[in-house]
Amino acid sequence: DIQMTQSPSSLSASVGDRVTITCRASQSISNNLNWYQQKPGKAPKLLIYAASSLQSGVPSRFSGSGSGTDFTLTISSLQPEDFATYYCQQSYSTRITFGQGTRLEIK
Amino acid sequence: EVQLVESGGGLVQPGGSLRLSCAASGFTFSSYEMNWVRQAPGKGLEWVSYISSSGSTIYYADSVKGRFTISRDNAKNSLYLQMNSLRAEDTAVYYCARDERTTVTTKFDYWGQGTLVTVSS
Repeated sequence: DIQMTQSPSSLSASVGDRVTITCRASQSISNNLNWYQQKPGKAPKLLIYAASSLQSGVPSRFSGSGSGTDFTLTISSLQPEDFATYYCQQSYSTRITFGQGTRLEIK
Repeated sequence: EVQLVESGGGLVQPGGSLRLSCAASGFTFSSYEMNWVRQAPGKGLEWVSYISSSGSTIYYADSVKGRFTISRDNAKNSLYLQMNSLRAEDTAVYYCARDERTTVTTKFDYWGQGTLVTVSS
């Protein structure tokens, strides 16, 4: 299976900060990479698909980039509602795998 | 409005069985692939199983292969997960997720609220 490794595992930041989360695949996955946001007790929500495409309804402060094995999710100016856990997911293989998650906390 | 509503979770003893259901509405269910994804308490997301729109193609994670069976009834707009030989490590919230596929990408664009399965004696 393709292993997805996110860094950091947790991150403290303040409202208004610019934040970047990294996801690395154990082999090339082209641009078959999605990002999800999950808040406690809630289902995951799709933010970014195909590495850099913004899902409908998602604020433009979220952006994604990368191709091959290295990807990033950037939040340009953190808002209070952005404090959550973020997961990357590869859809290159039929056996889909997720990163271990990055918990974004308020500083 | 797209809605996915899971049901069927609960407490079951090790070695027991449970059948989860996911009722879909607000979209043409028969046109979409579907997945089950689980999340153990305090842990990350784990993909469990995939089924194509017709039900003809199915994939499983190694951790559940041979024990779990995914199926669907397009006439009833429903997705199922039959879980047998349950283990403590199967304890998790189980989500159904709609799978939107194109020639260039796959994304889980809608998720249910989840149903909790607890395997314990």
